[in-house]
Amino acid sequence: SQQGEEDPQALSIQEGENATMNCSYKTSINNLQWYRQNSGRGLVHLILIRSNEREKHSGRLRVTLDTSKKSSSLLITASRAADTASYFCATVGGGSNYKLTFGKGTLLTVNP
Amino acid sequence: ETGVTQTPRHLVMGMTNKKSLKCEQHLGHNAMYWYKQSAKKPLELMFVYSLEERVENNSVPSRFSPECPNSSHLFLHLHTLQPEDSALYLCASSQREPSTGELFFGEGSRLTVL
Repeated sequence: SQQGEEDPQALSIQEGENATMNCSYKTSINNLQWYRQNSGRGLVHLILIRSNEREKHSGRLRVTLDTSKKSSSLLITASRAADTASYFCATVGGGSNYKLTFGKGTLLTVNP
Repeated sequence: ETGVTQTPRHLVMGMTNKKSLKCEQHLGHNAMYWYKQSAKKPLELMFVYSLEERVENNSVPSRFSPECPNSSHLFLHLHTLQPEDSALYLCASSQREPSTGELFFGEGSRLTVL
């Protein structure tokens, strides 16, 4: 079964606004990772947050992790049209260190 | 340029054809992965190779046959596919296990089975 699940499935905002995407997962984790995918292209790793971390920043990205609620959020501040993409969270579970499982993703559209 | 190169980028094949997808990583990584991405479905992990040994086989039908001749190259041999196998096939590599590090993806091979 799917480990990570993103919410909302789709999000449409205006350039300059902030975008928040959420991820929930089911089992205990070592880390949670966020990836971005432009339409029909490969995935690009954005940020990794370890289970003992609560918040992490990278440029305009801010990720939080709440292990008690088994949830994470990705905040993109001051969004740009170029941020339009699908965003996925991913976790390792199922007893394997190699089984990185992705959710269905959030499709973010940033309108100019 | 991601450091992980997949060829071909697009492939159309009939149900009786035999074809192969190729992946090459230039990052010096130890592990390589095949994922399948179909419309409206999450990415599905197919196979994982670590140091050329297969460490994950996610109940993939035998019409998909992986091959990892060395730590830089990964193939997916395709035979007698079905139309529902049409998807984007993504190759990835990693230096460490994803329980400790991230994956680097190629741009994908878009497969259409007629």
